[in-house]
Amino acid sequence: NAGVTQTPKFRVLKTGQSMTLLCAQDMNHEYMYWYRQDPGMGLRLIHYSVGEGTTAKGEVPDGYNVSRLKKQNFLLGLESAAPSQTSVYFCASSPLLRNEQFFGPGTRLTVL
Amino acid sequence: GNSVTQMEGPVTLSEEAFLTINCTYTATGYPSLFWYVQYPGEGLQLLLKATKADDKGSNKGFEATYRKETTSFHLEKGSVQVSDSAVYFCALSDPYFGNEKLTFGTGTRLTIIP
Repeated sequence: NAGVTQTPKFRVLKTGQSMTLLCAQDMNHEYMYWYRQDPGMGLRLIHYSVGEGTTAKGEVPDGYNVSRLKKQNFLLGLESAAPSQTSVYFCASSPLLRNEQFFGPGTRLTVL
Repeated sequence: GNSVTQMEGPVTLSEEAFLTINCTYTATGYPSLFWYVQYPGEGLQLLLKATKADDKGSNKGFEATYRKETTSFHLEKGSVQVSDSAVYFCALSDPYFGNEKLTFGTGTRLTIIP
């Protein structure tokens, strides 16, 4: 039981490049989330999903897109990376009817 | 909107000292309250939670009591260890959205010196 895994762990991009971050969970959770963590700002919700095929915007969705084609996977895309997107990205999942989130180990992204 | 305010860090304590990390919140209704811990290089883990007023959450020697009258959920531990060094986040879940909306504080970095 791996829990929540994230790929890749580290990435360096140049401004304007695109990339996709992959999150996978093996706990059969309904809900999945993408957060970014910046110094002095805690975690901020980017997008989330309440089930396969559904997505919704969080607090800071601009510049990101997401897809949840399979229940166990939640992808976060950056179409044209900007230095302001330099951050640590965390994926999380939670089961239905239980308000506890389980987090992945994070992806450190640097945009030059 | 909802918000969580935590004590500014970093906090440095000696081993076996008493720990308090303050957390206050603003929310409509009756949110659930959480403390998450982030060890170096890892994701967040749930440390403890409380779902209604006067509930006490506890785990690994840490405790926090849901105080509705003071809108607080302060984290305490009687005797800290070096292994408690981490970043601690207070959070609340929106009473209307539940799982969909967790609001986090900015985190408090705790360092315990031997």
